Amino acid sequence: AQTVTQSQPEMSVQEAETVTLSCTYDTSENNYYLFWYKQPPSRQMILVIRQEAYKQQNATENRFSVNFQKAAKSFSLKISDSQLGDTAMYFCAFISSNYKLTFGKGTLLTVNP
Amino acid sequence: DSGVTQTPKHLITATGQRVTLRCSPRSGDLSVYWYQQSLDQGLQFLIQYYNGEERAKGNILERFSAQQFPDLHSELNLSSLELGDSALYFCASSAADRGLMDEQFFGPGTRLTVL
Repeated sequence: AQTVTQSQPEMSVQEAETVTLSCTYDTSENNYYLFWYKQPPSRQMILVIRQEAYKQQNATENRFSVNFQKAAKSFSLKISDSQLGDTAMYFCAFISSNYKLTFGKGTLLTVNP
Repeated sequence: DSGVTQTPKHLITATGQRVTLRCSPRSGDLSVYWYQQSLDQGLQFLIQYYNGEERAKGNILERFSAQQFPDLHSELNLSSLELGDSALYFCASSAADRGLMDEQFFGPGTRLTVL
């Protein structure tokens, strides 16, 4: 079974600083994709960034970047220059050949002014 | 706004009852996905439909069923409701059938409370 683990239930960061959220996953497959979703207090699920497992280059989207370590099955999210609007629950997710998106339990990130 | 609509926003009902949640995908999207988000289980994939046909099944209870209609909207039916079914139910849509990379766009969710 595929599992996604987020070991940090809660984190906080000061505005303008950098924070890294951790995620590990377990799979025996080689072809898969990883995602980070953001869920602000509005409850809307928003895709932040995605990574293809066969690509060695880490994905970046503006202030958001990932550190993808395939051998270690690790997929962390780095948020640079944190903003108050980044306050949200962040979910790491995984999808492979069964086409079922599997989510971690989430990390609640609070950005403090 | 993702372009995915869900109705109703909130639903309060009693144990043993049956409810129907409705989802309209983004214009042009053929795939619809249903998820359940609860405090106990987190976010769980329930089921996927593509152009009217079931494509993938997750942790969906036998008391739950879904379908996708010719106009591509989808309904999730929950019957014999239990207290533990209280959750936020999300619908998502995407353009592709089985694209692993295909971005899923989530609706605002339906908050179900079973009393």
